[in-house]
Amino acid sequence: GQSLEQPSEVTAVEGAIVQINCTYQTSGFYGLSWYQQHDGGAPTFLSYNALDGLEETGRFSSFLSRSDSYGYLLLQELQMKDSASYFCAVPSWGGATNKLIFGTGTLLAVQP
Amino acid sequence: DGGITQSPKYLFRKEGQNVTLSCEQNLNHDAMYWYRQDPGQGLRLIYYSQIVNDFQKGDIAEGYSVSREKKESFPLTVTSAQKNPTAFYLCASRDRLAKNIQYFGAGTRLSVL
Repeated sequence: GQSLEQPSEVTAVEGAIVQINCTYQTSGFYGLSWYQQHDGGAPTFLSYNALDGLEETGRFSSFLSRSDSYGYLLLQELQMKDSASYFCAVPSWGGATNKLIFGTGTLLAVQP
Repeated sequence: DGGITQSPKYLFRKEGQNVTLSCEQNLNHDAMYWYRQDPGQGLRLIYYSQIVNDFQKGDIAEGYSVSREKKESFPLTVTSAQKNPTAFYLCASRDRLAKNIQYFGAGTRLSVL
């Protein structure tokens, strides 16, 4: 089977740096994605790592270590608007199908 | 603007009633998905469709049904067999070439009267 584990909640202050971890168990591995979801809203794609290392997109970076089955999302210069839930996800490919398996999400609370 | 439109935003179901949630996309995406999200939980896959006139069950398909008669549309019916339908329902689509990115609609919040 496939599963992803994330911390349920993280709290940080405005302007700080926060790291949200994700460990996964998959039968095959095709990359790790991150999505952001504000309360009651639609999840939006943030980043994707297929290979080991760090991918940077503005204030957000995502890291992957395939040997450790581990990744993280790094948010820098935190702003109040970053308060949201963050989900890691892995694709599950079987033949012609493609679906995403999502973690249970990490609720980030940014405090002034 | 291209995107995914879900309607209605809020829906109430009476006991024993079937209700249908609408999902329309104008992104020309082949694949479409339905997820259920319970409070404080992740997204669980209900049904997905890779092409028109074809769909597969996800992890929690019992009590739900779908159709894919047009590329743009993927409606979800919550049947009376679904005993705990109260949840936030999200529809998503994916481009054939961007296999790791799904685009989501704004969701439908379903409650039981």
